[in-house]
Formats: sequence, C-alpha cells, structure tokens
Amino acid sequence: EAGVVQSPRYKIIEKKQPVAFWCNPISGHNTLYWYRQNLGQGPELLIRYENEEAVDDSQLPKDRFSAERLKGVDSTLKIQPAELGDSAVYLCASSLYLGASGNETQYFGPGTRLLVL
Amino acid sequence: AQKITQTQPGMFVQEKEAVTLDCTYDTSDPSYGLFWYKQPSSGEMIFLIYQGSYDQQNATEGRYSLNFQKARKSANLVISASQLGDSAMYFCAMFRPSTLNTPLVFGKGTRLSVIA
Repeated sequence: EAGVVQSPRYKIIEKKQPVAFWCNPISGHNTLYWYRQNLGQGPELLIRYENEEAVDDSQLPKDRFSAERLKGVDSTLKIQPAELGDSAVYLCASSLYLGASGNETQYFGPGTRLLVL
Repeated sequence: AQKITQTQPGMFVQEKEAVTLDCTYDTSDPSYGLFWYKQPSSGEMIFLIYQGSYDQQNATEGRYSLNFQKARKSANLVISASQLGDSAMYFCAMFRPSTLNTPLVFGKGTRLSVIA
C-alpha cells in the first residue's frame, strides 16, 4: 500500500514569490492534515480536511496561505507571497476516522523542505 | 489545553543497549491517545507505537514499548537493543479520540544518537 505522497521534496525560492505544495493521502483516508515544522520543533497544524471540507483552519495564516482539497482526495497548500519566516518543513498526514473510541493513527508523508531566501 | 513535554533535547546510547525517552503530558480529558513518532534525517514522520488512556496494558511493538504511568501523566518510550538505524528525532504526541479527527499535539522532540 502506498503511503502519503508529497511533492516537491525540496523548494528554494526568493521572498515574495509564490510556492505550492502537493499531497496525495493514503487511499481511503478521509481526513487530511497539513502541518508546519520549524527547525527544532514538533509539527504544528495548519489545516485539517474531512473529505473536501476544511474543518479546522484556525492556525492557517489566511493573508498569505491557502489550501484546497477539491475532490476530497489530494490537496494543495499555497503560500503567496512567501516570507523569510516561512522557511520550514511542510508535512502532510492522513488518517481514517474510526469513531469516538478509535485509535486514529495519522500517517505522514516525507514533507517538503522550503527555504525562502 | 493539551500539552506535551519532552525534557531531553538529546540522548546518547550504546548500540545494543536499551534507552528510555521521556514524555509527560497535560490534559483534562479522560479519553486520549498517545503516540510516538520517529523522524530520521530524511524528514518523514514514522509511526512507532500507540497507547490509549483506557488501555490496561502498556503497548509494545517489537523493540518499542511504552511505559505508561497514567497517575504521573507520563508515557515514556523504551527502545530495547538499540541499533545504529535508531538514530533520529523522536516525538511524543497526543490526541483526543472523543473529538472528531483532532490534530496531534507534539512535543519538541528528543534527538537520539546510537553509538557503535
């Protein structure tokens, strides 16, 4: 079974440029997450989708970040314009909701390492 | 609010020996789950082990076991017979299964270095 796929793996851009990341979750997983991981820190949630609906985007900086999951499968995260502080690893994860008492393991992709110069 | 604390920024262990990575958590929810993930230098977060708050026994997965002490709110990861490939960052994380598809709250991680 294929895992979570992300592309690109690395991206270097100049500040004020746009950038986009793509994620394809594990087949059948209805929930998709975008996390940002700053150097030396654990990942922090940016946005969570249940199918095609964004159910938690409270941590997404909406002035420059946007995301979509149009058909409830793959997703794109965009930054426009990028700032120096956006340099981080952007991780995508997916899970299958198993009910209120379920062990809902999130599986992560390899991440996209973004460097903004 | 949920919080995960990992007090060891870095740990060294000799190959073939056991090592314990500490994790304490804070939550007011009676129902929660605790995860450990491994992040090698390649960047991917690899799921290792899960412990539910109502699980009666400590979780084990191969060389990984979780020393779950609910009263102390600790969920330490024990790696037995360390291997060179175990060198990586290790993150403890928590979620609340009573809330639909909640995000994981992560600690800051512990960098484990296995020495030959």
